[in-house]
Amino acid sequence: SQTIHQWPATLVQPVGSPLSLECTVEGTSNPNLYWYRQAAGRGLQLLFYSVGIGQISSEVPQNLSASRPQDRQFILSSKKLLLSDSGFYLCAWTPGQGLGYTFGSGTRLTVV
Amino acid sequence: AQSVTQPDIHITVSEGASLELRCNYSYGATPYLFWYVQSPGQGLQLLLKYFSGDTLVQGIKGFEAEFKRSQSSFNLRKPSVHWSDAAEYFCAENFGNEKLTFGTGTRLTIIP
Repeated sequence: SQTIHQWPATLVQPVGSPLSLECTVEGTSNPNLYWYRQAAGRGLQLLFYSVGIGQISSEVPQNLSASRPQDRQFILSSKKLLLSDSGFYLCAWTPGQGLGYTFGSGTRLTVV
Repeated sequence: AQSVTQPDIHITVSEGASLELRCNYSYGATPYLFWYVQSPGQGLQLLLKYFSGDTLVQGIKGFEAEFKRSQSSFNLRKPSVHWSDAAEYFCAENFGNEKLTFGTGTRLTIIP
């Protein structure tokens, strides 16, 4: 069966420090991968998605970047965190268009 | 552009009472529609989905949703709620591209 792993679960980072959040999917190949951010009391904002290795689409200009070095690995990064980067980050995958997403358990990022 | 509207930010229901959460999607070709549930600090879990066919869709945990093209709606219902149903509920749509668009969510509170 397919599983999605996301880590770490919680993270407290100082302003200006780098960030690396990792997401991996098991039990499937060539998934579409997604990073969402959920700010407190708000809905889900799509940050990046990828339909293949090295293919990244950015939805919102921001302080973050994403990479897909392997088929089932998706990484969210920042060189210098801002206070406004705080939030709940969710990784998700889907086998194809219109088939629904499966979400990871999320990472709570607090920038202090 | 695709959009999903959940007009109710917060709903309070007594345990054992019926529930209906509203969702309206932007008009377009036949959409793929989804309902997700999120418990505090957790990822999102798929409750049900609609692609085509029968407009009344059954999901997990006793939930159902009805697709009404004439009203551009996909409301979620449950005949009798349980205290464990307290959570945030998200409606989402996909028009056959790589992206899933979410509503802003409805927070459900259950009172004894």
